[in-house]
Amino acid sequence: DQQVKQNSPSLSVQEGRISILNCDYTNSMFDYFLWYKKYPAEGPTFLISISSIKDKNEDGRFTVFLNKSAKHLSLHIVPSQPGDSAVYFCAASASVSRKLQFGAGTQVVVTP
Amino acid sequence: KAGVTQTPRYLIKTRGQQVTLSCSPISGHRSVSWYQQTPGQGLQFLFEYFSETQRNKGNFPGRFSGRQFSNSRSEMNVSTLELGDSALYLCASSQIQGAFGTDTQYFGPGTRLTVL
Repeated sequence: DQQVKQNSPSLSVQEGRISILNCDYTNSMFDYFLWYKKYPAEGPTFLISISSIKDKNEDGRFTVFLNKSAKHLSLHIVPSQPGDSAVYFCAASASVSRKLQFGAGTQVVVTP
Repeated sequence: KAGVTQTPRYLIKTRGQQVTLSCSPISGHRSVSWYQQTPGQGLQFLFEYFSETQRNKGNFPGRFSGRQFSNSRSEMNVSTLELGDSALYLCASSQIQGAFGTDTQYFGPGTRLTVL
């Protein structure tokens, strides 16, 4: 039962433009959401998180938006850089359980 | 502050053997979680330990077990290895100080296990 879904397996974007990654979830108990970046054969690197009491969180080039009514969150990367090329995972957890549920990931390729 | 460390980084075993993986969390972090990543199933939660107690468990067979020590270091053990256990095993720690609530989990580099 996939409770966190990333429906776009890949995204190609030009350097300097905006990357928008989307994530949907089904479990209304989720109250903490995170985005991770991952290179092959390495552990995920934490990027940014958002609590369910907020609808937006910004950190440098990264902004996460949360729409609780739609059970949807998105990650915006502006401007995109070649070093951003990686797989991005959306994850969610509920306070009652620290188990992270991950989406399938989106492969981002930033072209010069 | 040093990050999450995992040893060994690579491991090759044969079917039927058992294996123990080790994880040292970030200093001060008391919660340690384990995840399995495979191409087919993605990232899946194995279990979480807090204050030496298993708090949550994923949908894995009993061959997968773990423990946490008083210094928060954790080990996971897989017995009677199967070919399908080949995966990247990831450990994550978080600073959460209480039994409930949630916080950001920081991952180690993982242990790549290959079962022949």
